[in-house]
Amino acid sequence: AQSVSQHNHHVILSEAASLELGCNYSYGGTVNLFWYVQYPGQHLQLLLKYFSGDPLVKGIKGFEAEFIKSKFSFNLRKPSVQWSDTAEYFCAVNGNTDKLIFGTGTRLQVFP
Amino acid sequence: ETGVTQSPTHLIKTRGQQVTLRCSSQSGHNTVSWYQQALGQGPQFIFQYYREEENGRGNFPPRFSGLQFPNYSSELNVNALELDDSALYLCASSTWTGGDETQYFGPGTRLLVL
Repeated sequence: AQSVSQHNHHVILSEAASLELGCNYSYGGTVNLFWYVQYPGQHLQLLLKYFSGDPLVKGIKGFEAEFIKSKFSFNLRKPSVQWSDTAEYFCAVNGNTDKLIFGTGTRLQVFP
Repeated sequence: ETGVTQSPTHLIKTRGQQVTLRCSSQSGHNTVSWYQQALGQGPQFIFQYYREEENGRGNFPPRFSGLQFPNYSSELNVNALELDDSALYLCASSTWTGGDETQYFGPGTRLLVL
């Protein structure tokens, strides 16, 4: 069965610090990978996605993620976070179905 | 905004009652998926509808049922509500292409079962 693990449950950073959120998945076949963000009081929004091609994917608001197939990982990065990045971040995967499997999420708090 | 709307935004029910949640898809999308997000958890897949037929189901009991209408809007029905059904229910729409779909989420309906 497919599963997604997000190692960091709660991350606290100061503005301008660098961010890396871990995501590992278990699935033996071809996968599509996603990062969604949920800002306080708002709905889930797509940050970025990987279907195929260049394993380094750039998304909105300066975020990027790297797909490392050998490590079954899709970590999210941002070189310099802002207070407005405070949110909950979800990694998700789908395999040969359209069903998205989500991780449990990482709560990011950025202090000015 | 994604163009996916859900109603109502909040709902309070008592154990044993039935509830219907509604979702309008983004224009041009023909597939709707429903997810349950319990507090502190990631969304869990309930089921998906494509062209008015169920197209995959997660690990949820039959008292969770759904419908998709010709205009691609959708309903989620839950019978015999239990306390553990308290959660945020999310609807997501997409265009079925056989595997490379991106799902766009609505704001959710927060259900509280007392």
